[in-house]
Amino acid sequence: SQQGEEDPQALSIQEGENATMNCSYKTSINNLQWYRQNSGRGLVHLILIRSNEREKHSGRLRVTLDTSKKSSSLLITASRAADTASYFCATRETGANNLFFGTGTRLTVIP
Amino acid sequence: DAGVIQSPRHEVTEMGQEVTLRCKPISGHDYLFWYRQTMMRGLELLIYFNNNVPIDDSGMPEDRFSAKMPNASFSTLKIQPSEPRDSAVYFCASSSIATTNEKLFFGSGTQLSVL
Repeated sequence: SQQGEEDPQALSIQEGENATMNCSYKTSINNLQWYRQNSGRGLVHLILIRSNEREKHSGRLRVTLDTSKKSSSLLITASRAADTASYFCATRETGANNLFFGTGTRLTVIP
Repeated sequence: DAGVIQSPRHEVTEMGQEVTLRCKPISGHDYLFWYRQTMMRGLELLIYFNNNVPIDDSGMPEDRFSAKMPNASFSTLKIQPSEPRDSAVYFCASSSIATTNEKLFFGSGTQLSVL
């Protein structure tokens, strides 16, 4: 399969805590992206990190990429109940124009 | 812009019937993707178009599935005949590598139930 794998499959934390989700993939990539999906809705793009970048920040989001280990992590700091959603990583293979999505992490933030 | 628009939002049909899902991408986007989402298989890429031309349909499950993009503002995904295992949420997404930094914009999806 070309899909990535997210870990953990589900994560439950208290509001204010940090949430870390991991993604592993199999191929050489051009970039890796993280998306969020609220229940019953489409996916929304959060952040993109290119293969020559190691870390990127956007607001409360921090993404790291380790191409030698073919892995990425998404950190959400100071979580809020509104962050409750499923989070997916997606990879764009080198030379390709399509995105392959991972299996997702279901995050629950308890108020 | 209204975003990517999909219709219908929900579709319930009986096995053997033809199903047509519709998508209007964001104006100016030159890539259009069809994905299918199920609990068992996650998000699967079915087919994608560039400038209305199908580029990769290797994800289309079988000949019962077909997709068209007759113009830059409209695409359809057709299943004929439909089977219960086709039940899933079907998403359309569009992007423009030149202007949106390669990120995909998704529609709200079509929840398909085949009885």
